[in-house]
Amino acid sequence: QSALTQPPSVSGSPGQSVTISCTGTSSDVGSYNSVSWYQKSPGTAPKLIIYDVSNRPSGVPDRFSGSKSGNTASLTISGLQAEDEADYYCTSYTSSSTLVFGGGTKLTVL
Amino acid sequence: QVQLVESGGGVVQPGRSLRLSCAASGFTFNNHGMHWVRQAPGKGLEWVAVIWYDGSKTYYADSVRGRFTISRDSSKNTVYLQMNSLRAEDTGVYYCARDDDTNSQYSKFEYWGQGTLVTVSS
Repeated sequence: QSALTQPPSVSGSPGQSVTISCTGTSSDVGSYNSVSWYQKSPGTAPKLIIYDVSNRPSGVPDRFSGSKSGNTASLTISGLQAEDEADYYCTSYTSSSTLVFGGGTKLTVL
Repeated sequence: QVQLVESGGGVVQPGRSLRLSCAASGFTFNNHGMHWVRQAPGKGLEWVAVIWYDGSKTYYADSVRGRFTISRDSSKNTVYLQMNSLRAEDTGVYYCARDDDTNSQYSKFEYWGQGTLVTVSS
């Protein structure tokens, strides 16, 4: 159950777009469309922003989008806003019927 | 409205036990799988365990398997995490989360508790 691989940090200016990658294996990301993304700020519970690779829960702006190719999933945030600054985590269902998180990516809005 | 309220955290010595509770309200408890997720200080999120909606199946992260047990009591709308043989590396905030994935592949945690802090230290 190794953690999915995410870049430790990304940054962008307001209005720009950033993409966060999430690389797994054929036992998780590559085999299931059960990839999700969570936004986490200090002292608060995680917030679901993408599920099943590319679906947005109600209330999540369409600036957030997800995709997957092979063993790598991606989260793209377009039209960056200051309020998007947070940590982002991907998750994937695994062939062992468990869940694995990515190591997390800190997004800085410059 | 949906509410998940964790309790039971605290300071415990290495090797000892602790039981966390997560009281659910505002939804039909028996329709949802429930998960525990933790975050060590300064670290990322780590999935801990899941129990299916009917309690028929449980799965654990390798780091806790054999030491932690997840269970649920439908009469109390509560999910538990029994933590035995605690180690310093088990220190962190423990969250419970409701599974909203209809395919039982854990892809949709829309509701989370506020977390309870567990500190394992002598």
